Order: sequence, then structure tokens, then C-alpha cells
Amino acid sequence: EDKVVQSPLSLVVHEGDTVTLNCSYEVTNFRSLLWYKQEKKAPTFLFMLTSSGIEKKSGRLSSILDKKELFSILNITATQTGDSAIYLCAENSGGSNYKLTFGKGTLLTVNP
Amino acid sequence: DAGVIQSPRHEVTEMGQEVTLRCKPISGHNSLFWYRQTMMRGLELLIYFNNNVPIDDSGMPEDRFSAKMPNASFSTLKIQPSEPRDSAVYFCASKPGLQKPGELFFGEGSRLTVL
Repeated sequence: EDKVVQSPLSLVVHEGDTVTLNCSYEVTNFRSLLWYKQEKKAPTFLFMLTSSGIEKKSGRLSSILDKKELFSILNITATQTGDSAIYLCAENSGGSNYKLTFGKGTLLTVNP
Repeated sequence: DAGVIQSPRHEVTEMGQEVTLRCKPISGHNSLFWYRQTMMRGLELLIYFNNNVPIDDSGMPEDRFSAKMPNASFSTLKIQPSEPRDSAVYFCASKPGLQKPGELFFGEGSRLTVL
């Protein structure tokens, strides 16, 4: 039973398009939700969200959390081929403050 | 900073052989994690060390898997004997503290293929 569900599993867009990636999660003592970008190698950290409704933004990427509906979205505007990657969502909840439960990721392909 | 360093980057072995994966965390980071990534199951936490002590090994699949952290700058993950279903990318990650999960710094992974 998946605790973190990401959608879509994969997505193909053209440069310049805007994309929205979704992440829904279960909650047992929710602490935070994190987004990572994984190109061919290691996942790299993008955002950590702890409060509902507060948008985190970095350049063309932004993310927001809805703790009532138990989901988060990651938006990428004006996509570039360099945005092609797997985007991973992870939840930290429960009794530990270190354990991250990852979703399976969304594979984004941006074509020129 | 050199980041988290893992070796080997790729390993191809035959079923039944012993496999040892190595990790050097970022200097000063006192938390170290081993993850396994497969298409079917995504990224899964195998074991977590804090200050060189194993805190949570509930993700270790079975007794064939073992991990050690003899000092603050080195950890190993051993599989003995290896099986084809162990084929995956194994990531080591570190972070400076315990308070919040925050940003994990991942190594580039060791891709293991067991034939």
C-alpha cells in the first residue's frame, strides 16, 4: 500500500509548456513534504514544505502544500530540456523525524 | 566539498557472490542513510545511522544484507550471498543533523546487477 502517490507517472511536453506534478500522501503525525529532482544520477533537493498554502518558489519552479486535502503540487513554468528528469516527492511523518517515504516519481521529458 | 562519494559506480556480479558497496559521507554530517531504488518499488530506506550507530535497520530486506559504519567517514553495505532480485541502484545519503529531515545529500549511487 503506497503512502505517497505521484501522478502522472510520466509526462512529455514541449519546451515552453507549463507542467503541474501531483503528490498525494497519507498522514500520521505529518511533519513535512519534500520534492527532489533526479536526473541521471543522485536526487537533488528542491523544496521542503511544512505549512499549507505557503508557496515555495525557486526560479521557474514552485510548490505548494494542502494539508487538509493531503497533497502537494510542483509547478514548472516555461519548461526547458534541462528540466527533463524524474521528480520525486517524499513524506516525513510518523514517529521519526528522519525517515522519508518516497513516491515512485514522475518522469518528465521536455522535447525541444 | 566533494559531496557524498560512493563506490563502485557499477557492479556486475553472479548470483551467490558477495557484494560490498562503500560510502564516504560529507564531512561533518552525522546522519547517514542507505537507500535502494528500483522501478517497481521506488526509493526505499534500508538503514539509518546516527553518529556511527545504526538507529533503524527495519528496511533491510533480510539477513543477507548487512551494513556497518566503523567511523564517521566511512560506511559499507554488504550483500552475501547476492541474488538477481537485489539488482538495483543503491544510494548513500547524509545530512548534518537530526532535527528535521530537511535536505538529504545523495551520492551518485552504485548500480548493482546480479546475474
